[in-house]
Amino acid sequence: QVQLQESGPGLVKPSQTLSLTCTVSGGSISSGDYYWSWIRQPPGKGLEWIGYIYYSGSTYYNPSLKSRVTISVDTSKNQFSLKLSSVTAADTAVYYCRRAFDIWGQGTMVTVSS
Amino acid sequence: SYELTQPLSVSVALGQTARITCGGNNIGSKNVHWYQQKPGQAPVLVIYRDSNRPSGIPERFSGSNSGNTATLTISRAQAGDEADYYCQVWDSLFGGGTKLTVL
Repeated sequence: QVQLQESGPGLVKPSQTLSLTCTVSGGSISSGDYYWSWIRQPPGKGLEWIGYIYYSGSTYYNPSLKSRVTISVDTSKNQFSLKLSSVTAADTAVYYCRRAFDIWGQGTMVTVSS
Repeated sequence: SYELTQPLSVSVALGQTARITCGGNNIGSKNVHWYQQKPGQAPVLVIYRDSNRPSGIPERFSGSNSGNTATLTISRAQAGDEADYYCQVWDSLFGGGTKLTVL
């Protein structure tokens, strides 16, 4: 079955760019009419949608984060990625990748701190 | 901007029925998904497109959506159902989450 796995640095300095990758296994990122999402959850708080991308490259972002977010897809590696620029402590969260609305990765904690 | 409103907490006696609501303007015209999240774990889809249950989710979980309210119903609540529950529309916007306590 399809599985997703997030990877990337667990610590990012303020004002720098957070970069995460989600690797899809058990299925092709290019197959089906799926989109691929990033979602985050600050400690002790609720879920916040960041954005999603279709394998074709079309993207849709949360308006509140749009100016700082870039989501891209690499079909050759069966991966999609998140870049969040100019991070602050408020960006500290568990970051999840997800297929459409159904399959989630296990999440990865990212702390923004000097 | 569109908002989804969930109660912060819901309590249910063991074996009874819990109902968790998700309010939004004309939410009945939108597809609603529901997720269960236990501490330290990723969310799990329990209901999709208002009332559909993914494979592996017990029949005790059901959903409805009409007017300005979508509802997740958990019948014969078990201790293992204790979790946070989130609604979502447009595959993007989330409600604030509801903590379900089984007494």
